[in-house]
Amino acid sequence: KAGVTQTPRYLIKTRGQQVTLSCSPISGHRSVSWYQQTPGQGLQFLFEYFSETQRNKGNFPGRFSGRQFSNSRSEMNVSTLELGDSALYLCASSLVSGLAKNIQYFGAGTRLSVL
Amino acid sequence: GENVEQHPSTLSVQEGDSAVIKCTYSDSASNYFPWYKQELGKGPQLIIDIRSNVGEKKDQRIAVTLNKTAKHFSLHITETQPEDSAVYFCAAEGSQGNLIFGKGTKLSVKP
Repeated sequence: KAGVTQTPRYLIKTRGQQVTLSCSPISGHRSVSWYQQTPGQGLQFLFEYFSETQRNKGNFPGRFSGRQFSNSRSEMNVSTLELGDSALYLCASSLVSGLAKNIQYFGAGTRLSVL
Repeated sequence: GENVEQHPSTLSVQEGDSAVIKCTYSDSASNYFPWYKQELGKGPQLIIDIRSNVGEKKDQRIAVTLNKTAKHFSLHITETQPEDSAVYFCAAEGSQGNLIFGKGTKLSVKP
């Protein structure tokens, strides 16, 4: 069974640009969560999508957005990039929403560098 | 706000020794506590988890203990091997159904 696939693995952008990252969850999984990982702040929750609806959102500005498609694949978009957006963006998939009976499986991440 | 504290931030042990990583969490409503291992260039990989209805769980050389009263949980790795070298993260269930992560522990196992 294939794991969580994130594309691209690496991205280099300049300030002010926008970027779109993609995540394909494990087959059969319907929930996708996104996290930002930086050396200073660690792993921080961005948002979760389940059945094409955003279920939860972390404390990030509106420049960070996402969506989920009918096949459960998800994309996240960051507009008007800032230097501080440089990070590893991780996607995690689980069968359904919520952790009560779930396990989150992570992809390898997309490394975004903003110059 | 919701918070998970993790200690130590770095840990160096000799091969064959035991390693212990400790975490405390702030939200008494948390019921799920996973541990992830992250190797260089890879995403976090779940190694063991525990739910609040048990106090201890073991899987071969890895064990996790949970003290809900004190809001503490710990990871124990016995008979460490060089391939155990990685960054380990503890996490707790957040109020939004997300994971709240500790800042990580870099474990180095010296041959």
